[in-house]
Amino acid sequence: NAGVMQNPRHLVRRRGQEARLRCSPMKGHSHVYWYRQLPEEGLKFMVYLQKENIIDESGMPKERFSAEFPKEGPSILRIQQVVRGDSAAYFCASSPYGQGNQPQHFGDGTRLSIL
Amino acid sequence: AQSVAQPEDQVNVAEGNPLTVKCTYSVSGNPYLFWYVQYPNRGLQFLLKYITGDNLVKGSYGFEAEFNKSQTSFHLKKPSALVSDSALYFCAVRDNAPMGNNAGNMLTFGGGTRLMVKP
Repeated sequence: NAGVMQNPRHLVRRRGQEARLRCSPMKGHSHVYWYRQLPEEGLKFMVYLQKENIIDESGMPKERFSAEFPKEGPSILRIQQVVRGDSAAYFCASSPYGQGNQPQHFGDGTRLSIL
Repeated sequence: AQSVAQPEDQVNVAEGNPLTVKCTYSVSGNPYLFWYVQYPNRGLQFLLKYITGDNLVKGSYGFEAEFNKSQTSFHLKKPSALVSDSALYFCAVRDNAPMGNNAGNMLTFGGGTRLMVKP
């Protein structure tokens, strides 16, 4: 009974490269959330997706960042032309429904380091 | 807008003593409140939630939390701390918004409190 799976666990990129972070939600979950955590800080909401739809992207930077959750396959968070400030841990969470009273289940995150 | 404050960056407790990790929140409607724990290099693990009903909520690993509407607080407690409880604890809130309102979907987290339990 796998939980939320994120890969890679660690990703190193040079400035200007692209970073792709993958998230497979728990079985039966169709709602995915992406959060970013800077060192010693709390998690900041980035984007909320259902299958094939972006529901809320109010926390995601307008440029260089994009997210998708296709009908088949994992959710992808894509960062183009990475900069040093993108270094952070990126967490994905999923829930079976979009209702506010359901806890979100988190993956172990992808730690992105920009050289 | 919703927000969460965890006023203590770190809480130090001796093993066997009771612990409290503080959390206050602000939402426009009624809150859904959550506590999560994070161990090094891991994701967040759900501990407990308050949705409605009894103000005292019991969760995993002997933790409990008390919802206080007048003080807008949701402090995490445990009667007897263990060294293995040492970790980073996050309080989170969701506004009890109707379906279709995006403000009801995101979790807003506090900055976290590091709990250190000494033997």
